[in-house]
Amino acid sequence: DQQVKQNSPSLSVQEGRISILNCDYTNSMFDYFLWYKKYPAEGPTFLISISSIKDKNEDGRFTVFLNKSAKHLSLHIVPSQPGDSAVYFCAASAGTGANNLFFGTGTRLTVIP
Amino acid sequence: DVKVTQSSRYLVKRTGEKVFLECVQDMDHENMFWYRQDPGLGLRLIYFSYDVKMKEKGDIPEGYSVSREKKERFSLILESASTNQTSMYLCASSLLGNMETQYFGPGTRLLVL
Repeated sequence: DQQVKQNSPSLSVQEGRISILNCDYTNSMFDYFLWYKKYPAEGPTFLISISSIKDKNEDGRFTVFLNKSAKHLSLHIVPSQPGDSAVYFCAASAGTGANNLFFGTGTRLTVIP
Repeated sequence: DVKVTQSSRYLVKRTGEKVFLECVQDMDHENMFWYRQDPGLGLRLIYFSYDVKMKEKGDIPEGYSVSREKKERFSLILESASTNQTSMYLCASSLLGNMETQYFGPGTRLLVL
């Protein structure tokens, strides 16, 4: 059973506009959340993270929002650029141990020039 | 920059063959991981290792084994390949105490006929 869900397999956005990628989780024990980005023929790379004690973390054009009551995580990219076209995975951790890290199924973002 | 390399990008094997997937990282990371990525299922952890000769089962270890004789190298072994092991295999590494921020290799796409 997927504990981390990305219900949108794909998303298309015009260059310069905002991209919003969503992620839902079921386990209330998750206390650390991450986004990874994956280009074709490459492995995922870490993008941004947030601890459960925060509700927002920003890094340049990328902002992650956490709504614990809704068990919802989102990644905002503003402004979107064609180079942002990739598959984005969210991940959630319930403490130490590799068995406690769960990945979503990914959302393919296409930024149209 | 962390570099994680995997021995093959594409591999075609026959049912029943023994298959070795090799992974090498050059940043002296203690933790190493093997995942498989399948459509609609995200990344699923097969095995991980936090030290030489140490290994822990992940979510889906059945049909797989691993070997870590040197810190920089983590091998995934399919003892007798089956068609349901056709998948993308991703290796990753991370620092001890930081399971979440992982550095991934480019992946090996394995086809078992």
